[in-house]
Amino acid sequence: DQQVKQNSPSLSVQEGRISILNCDYTNSMFDYFLWYKKYPAEGPTFLISISSIKDKNEDGRFTVFLNKSAKHLSLHIVPSQPGDSAVYFCAALSVIQGAQKLVFGQGTRLTINP
Amino acid sequence: EPEVTQTPSHQVTQMGQEVILRCVPISNHLYFYWYRQILGQKVEFLVSFYNNEISEKSEIFDDQFSVERPDGSNFTLKIRSTKLEDSAMYFCASITPAASYEQYFGPGTRLTVT
Repeated sequence: DQQVKQNSPSLSVQEGRISILNCDYTNSMFDYFLWYKKYPAEGPTFLISISSIKDKNEDGRFTVFLNKSAKHLSLHIVPSQPGDSAVYFCAALSVIQGAQKLVFGQGTRLTINP
Repeated sequence: EPEVTQTPSHQVTQMGQEVILRCVPISNHLYFYWYRQILGQKVEFLVSFYNNEISEKSEIFDDQFSVERPDGSNFTLKIRSTKLEDSAMYFCASITPAASYEQYFGPGTRLTVT
């Protein structure tokens, strides 16, 4: 049941450049999307979210873009810093169905090289 | 900044034994969740809990699992008779939906069943 997919298991980016992490979903009832960052031996840490009524949300170095027609979202980190090296999870939920459970993608391991 | 805490950080148990994983959610949050992540796999929803009852559960959350909020602060996950395949990281999360849909996660408990 792959309702949320992150097709790139890993991504390597040079410090200072832009990191772009991608996520696709299949369930058209999803209407709220979140990105989490996870370091080893820690829980997921919330980064940024977007509602389906928007197509972009920005918070400092992090921007999330949502393309509803393509059922695709992406997280842009610019400029990338060494501390951004972590596993990034895309997650979705359906507010309209009253569902609060987060459905996660498999994660993308981002490595920022100095 | 308030945070979700979980104890123990690592629990080793023998197959067939009962385990209780403990969580202290953020104090003014109203909804509580358990997720798990088997090594190398995605984070999966187990159960959500609101107003002292289960509001949603996944197919993973069978009769071997139970949750409880025994007092005003703790939220527990009990596995009655552990199996080898229960070995995973278990994460607790909490939220106040009136504020946002972003769930805040604890650091996790690593459960190892031998």
